[in-house]
Order: sequence, then C-alpha cells, then structure tokens
Amino acid sequence: DQQVKQNSPSLSVQEGRISILNCDYTNSMFDYFLWYKKYPAEGPTFLISISSIKDKNEDGRFTVFLNKSAKHLSLHIVPSQPGDSAVYFCAALSGTYKYIFGTGTRLKVLA
Amino acid sequence: NAGVTQTPKFRVLKTGQSMTLLCAQDMNHEYMYWYRQDPGMGLRLIHYSVGEGTTAKGEVPDGYNVSRLKKQNFLLGLESAAPSQTSVYFCASSPSTDTQYFGPGTRLTVL
Repeated sequence: DQQVKQNSPSLSVQEGRISILNCDYTNSMFDYFLWYKKYPAEGPTFLISISSIKDKNEDGRFTVFLNKSAKHLSLHIVPSQPGDSAVYFCAALSGTYKYIFGTGTRLKVLA
Repeated sequence: NAGVTQTPKFRVLKTGQSMTLLCAQDMNHEYMYWYRQDPGMGLRLIHYSVGEGTTAKGEVPDGYNVSRLKKQNFLLGLESAAPSQTSVYFCASSPSTDTQYFGPGTRLTVL
C-alpha cells in the first residue's frame, strides 16, 4: 500500500515557465515532508521541506505548498531551468526516524 | 569533507553468494539508513540506525543484515543473494530527524 504517491511519472515544461510537481499521501499522522532531486547515477539531494504546521515554504525558485485537508503537497519551480531536469521525490516522515518516499516524477525542462 | 561514500559502486553476484556494502560518513551524524531503489517503486527503507551499536528494521528488511560498530560506518550484508535483490542501494545519514544526505549509490546485479 503506497502511503505517498506521485501519480505523474513524468512532466515536460518549457524553460522559463512554472513546473508543478504533485504528491499525495494517505496517513494524516505524517507531520514533516521533504522534496529531493535526483540526477542519473547520483544519490538524491535535499531540496526543500515543510512542517505540517505550515502551508507554504519558499526557498528561492522553489516553493512547497501543503494542503493538509486534501493530504496533498506540491512543489513549484519558477522559473524552470534546463538544469532542473531530474527526478523529484517527495518524502513524508513516519514516526520519528523513518521516511516514506514517493515513486518520483521525472521533470524535463525544454530549452 | 567527502560526505557519504559507498563502496563498491557496482557489483555482480551469482545467486547464493554473499557480500557486504559499506557506507561511510564523515559528518558525525547519528542516524544512518539503507534504501533500495527499484523501477517504479521509489526508495524503500531496508534498515536504519539511530546511533552507534543500534540497528532497526525498515520496510523491506528480509534477506539483509546490518551492523553499526562505529558511528561513521553502516554495513549492509547479503548472506545469500537472490535475483530479487538486484537493485540500486543508497545509504544516507542525517544529524537529526530531518534532512538526509545520500551517497552516490551501489548498483547490484544478482544473476
């Protein structure tokens, strides 16, 4: 049973436009969420996080929105750049130490 | 400061063989994790450790054993490899229950 779902396996966006990556979760006890970016042949790298007491967190071109009632979070990248082309994973904190990862969305930014 | 390193980067095993994957971190982090990534499955937690001398099971622990004899090292062992253990293995460490820092991964093929 997938507790964290990324229903779009891939997304293509023109350079300069907004990229929106979505993530849904089923467990209302999750209280901390993160986004990771992964390039081929590398490990994931941390991008941005959000606590369940917030509904928005911003860091430069990256903004994460959390809608707890809908159990949904999204990552907005504005403006999108070719270097943003990667696989993006959302993750939710389960309990104290364990993270549950989504299956990832492959973003391709077209120049 | 190398961050998180994994040894080896690639390995091919025959069914029934054993091997140990080594993860090392030089950031003095308390927490360390082993994940596997399979196509369409995201990252799944195998085992984790909350400090030197401690280990705990994650989502998919069967067929694997771990040890954390030194704070900086986290070893993942396969006693009798099976084709179902063909995967990319990622190690991660974190100073607390937030951002995880990942290694570059080990690609394991079991024939």
